[in-house]
This record gives sequence, structure tokens and C-alpha cells, in this order.
Amino acid sequence: AQTVTQSQPEMSVQEAETVTLSCTYDTSESDYYLFWYKQPPSRQMILVIRQEAYKQQNATENRFSVNFQKAAKSFSLKISDSQLGDAAMYFCAYRRGNYGQNFVFGPGTRLSVLP
Amino acid sequence: DTAVSQTPKYLVTQMGNDKSIKCEQNLGHDTMYWYKQDSKKFLKIMFSYNNKELIINETVPNRFSPKSPDKAHLNLHINSLELGDSAVYFCASSHYQGPEAFFGQGTRLTVV
Repeated sequence: AQTVTQSQPEMSVQEAETVTLSCTYDTSESDYYLFWYKQPPSRQMILVIRQEAYKQQNATENRFSVNFQKAAKSFSLKISDSQLGDAAMYFCAYRRGNYGQNFVFGPGTRLSVLP
Repeated sequence: DTAVSQTPKYLVTQMGNDKSIKCEQNLGHDTMYWYKQDSKKFLKIMFSYNNKELIINETVPNRFSPKSPDKAHLNLHINSLELGDSAVYFCASSHYQGPEAFFGQGTRLTVV
């Protein structure tokens, strides 16, 4: 079974600084997707960024970028120019590429942004 | 327009009662999910439906019964509620071939 690990239960960052959240996963598949979801205090799960395993290029969405190391099975999220609104739980998630597969989530990292 | 909508957002009920949570999506997706988020924020898949057919059924007590009347709706009925059922329940939807899922706002169920 696939597993997703986030080794940092909590992180904090100063406003305007950069922070990196770590994620590792275990799979024997070659076709899969990786995601970062954000859960602010409102409870809504918001997709931050997606990475296809077959793509070597790291995904980027504005201030959010990933460092995808396929061989190491590592998928970290970098948040640049951190803003107060970035404070949330961040979940790393994995989905196999086969049709109809569910999403496997890591335990989450709580990010605090200090003014 | 809300893409994935769950009702109710909050549900407080007594042990032993039966309750339902409804979910609707207007994204044109054909696959829908129920996830449970426990008090430690851990998210775990419960069920998944594709075009009204059950495709994923994790180890969940059979007091939980999902129903999908059509591919835009997935409801969750819970019989004989127990204290341990208290959690946040999320509905989500995606295309069958993926890749990403979109989530409802969650239903916080509290059993007293």
C-alpha cells in the first residue's frame, strides 16, 4: 500500500520569508500524481499545486513551487514571500495514475506565519 | 457557484440516532468520494463512487451506507451513531482518470 509521510508536524515562518515543507512517499508504481492541499481554519481543502510523476520539470504556481525528486520519492513544497494568509495545515497527497484511484494523504504540517 | 457542496456544515446529534450528509457537485465529474478527518486531522478514504457504482469501500463499519442517485450526488447515511463517529466528513469529486480532487467544505459531526 502507498504511504505518505510528512515529518514536520509544525513549522513556522516569518512573514515575507521562505519556508519548505517536506513530504516523502512510498510506492512501487511509475505512474502517479502528487499534490499539496492547504486547509486553513475555515476547514476547506484547497488544492495548492500538482505534479505528474512523468514530468521532470518541477511544478510552480505563483509563490508556490515543488522540488520533486522521483528517485528519492521526495516531494517538498516551497512557499516564497510568505503571507499571513498562508497559515494553514498543509497536506501532501498521492494518487496512482490508474483510473478510479483514491487519494492517500500524509498526516499534515501545521504552518504558522509570524508577523 | 459552489463546486462541491455538502449539507449540513455542522451536525450535533445524540448517540444511537441516524443521520445523513448530502453532497452535490456541479463540476461534471464522474467520481465522488467520502473522506473522514479525525481529531488529529488525519484524512482517510471511506468510499468512492464512479458513475453511481461503488468502486472503493474501505474498512468502514456497515452502519455507514453511501448512496449515489446520480453521478453528481453522493450521500452518506449513518445508523446508530457512536461517540467515535465524531469527526469531519469531506465529500470530494474528480474525473475518473484524475488527476486532482475538489473538496466540499466538510461536515463537522459531533455525537454526544
